[in-house]
Amino acid sequence: EPEVTQTPSHQVTQMGQEVILRCVPISNHLYFYWYRQILGQKVEFLVSFYNNEISEKSEIFDDQFSVERPDGSNFTLKIRSTKLEDSAMYFCASSELAQGREQFFGPGTRLTVL
Amino acid sequence: SQKIEQNSEALNIQEGKTATLTCNYTNYSPAYLQWYRQDPGRGPVFLLLIRENEKEKRKERLKVTFDTTLKQSLFHITASQPADSATYLCALSLILTGGGNKLTFGTGTQLKVEL
Repeated sequence: EPEVTQTPSHQVTQMGQEVILRCVPISNHLYFYWYRQILGQKVEFLVSFYNNEISEKSEIFDDQFSVERPDGSNFTLKIRSTKLEDSAMYFCASSELAQGREQFFGPGTRLTVL
Repeated sequence: SQKIEQNSEALNIQEGKTATLTCNYTNYSPAYLQWYRQDPGRGPVFLLLIRENEKEKRKERLKVTFDTTLKQSLFHITASQPADSATYLCALSLILTGGGNKLTFGTGTQLKVEL
């Protein structure tokens, strides 16, 4: 069964450093998303991406964040200058159809900012 | 402000019983409501989706109801098993004009099914 994959599974970085989190969505999906979950808290929407453009972003997704689909398979989230409060689990998700349909989540990348 | 609440942080039930989880929301008008399962350290896994014009949806041992007047969804697991132990997340699905749909999650209910 096709699945969303994410790398790395765990990333440790120093405050102020740049990180890139990578995702490979399911191949025939058209809509791509990033969510984050701070330990013990709820899953929060960050950004959605369709047709090589951001279609929606949350207040969390400030100028330090960017997303890219550099080729036909990868979808990346970059945090330009990490802060302590960026420590969280980051989930990539994709969906085949737009109309409220289910999203398929990856296993997540645990980001620890020291 | 918009709010999604799920009943109690933890729910313990005996194997074989029916687990009922509640999701209440305010200041939303979702077109869809979805339920996901999340195991520790893992990503959410889709279980069921119900549309605003549907009252009930079933899939195997799972049943979801959606009352847009009460702004509430109930999620039932019948004949529960220890393997059903996980956190269950309610998510409101809002269709984005630019494409895709945004999921807004509740905090989840941790279900533990005991032998």
